[in-house]
Amino acid sequence: DTAVSQTPKYLVTQMGNDKSIKCEQNLGHDTMYWYKQDSKKFLKIMFSYNNKELIINETVPNRFSPKSPDKAHLNLHINSLELGDSAVYFCASSLPGHNSPLHFGNGTRLTVT
Amino acid sequence: DAKTTQPNSMESNEEEPVHLPCNHSTISGTDYIHWYRQLPSQGPEYVIHGLTSNVNNRMASLAIAEDRKSSTLILHRATLRDAAVYYCILRDKNQAGTALIFGKGTTLSVSS
Repeated sequence: DTAVSQTPKYLVTQMGNDKSIKCEQNLGHDTMYWYKQDSKKFLKIMFSYNNKELIINETVPNRFSPKSPDKAHLNLHINSLELGDSAVYFCASSLPGHNSPLHFGNGTRLTVT
Repeated sequence: DAKTTQPNSMESNEEEPVHLPCNHSTISGTDYIHWYRQLPSQGPEYVIHGLTSNVNNRMASLAIAEDRKSSTLILHRATLRDAAVYYCILRDKNQAGTALIFGKGTTLSVSS
């Protein structure tokens, strides 16, 4: 069973469109995250959700909105897509506690044309 | 978050030990040292973490300097599958639930 799963794996869309990436974890974790990895392979935290409450928002444009319908899901909705949004987006989850490892999904490669 | 410094890249031969260094001279007393790695086309995966004492698990060993200003991730016998980007990250125990902040990491190449 996949612990953290993201869909779709690949997403190709045009500028100006609105798209969503879904993330589900079956680990019973309380905290979920979204990371962005750009073409230079640098991983940046975008959002963190703990028990459905946003606890981090790292200077991400408000076109990006995380939505958590329940503790096991954290979806990423992106409005008015721009070329610069092209990247690989990773979802992750963890238990509370500083020593709890993050479990990552395998990423969604978003290409905006 | 305190900063870590790692070499951009390292090379190894298969079945040889690999020592991946990490400097963290500004580490605080409440910072744990975490290591993750990212295999090609995959998400990062947890490797190991420690505070002061050396740590061993099925994947690797973590050797922490006595002053905690540096640490070394040890892969005892590198395999081709160990080729990945390795990230050394400090995580404050007083900030439970916060996200990991990734640096550039070390790209490890393994040759057969």
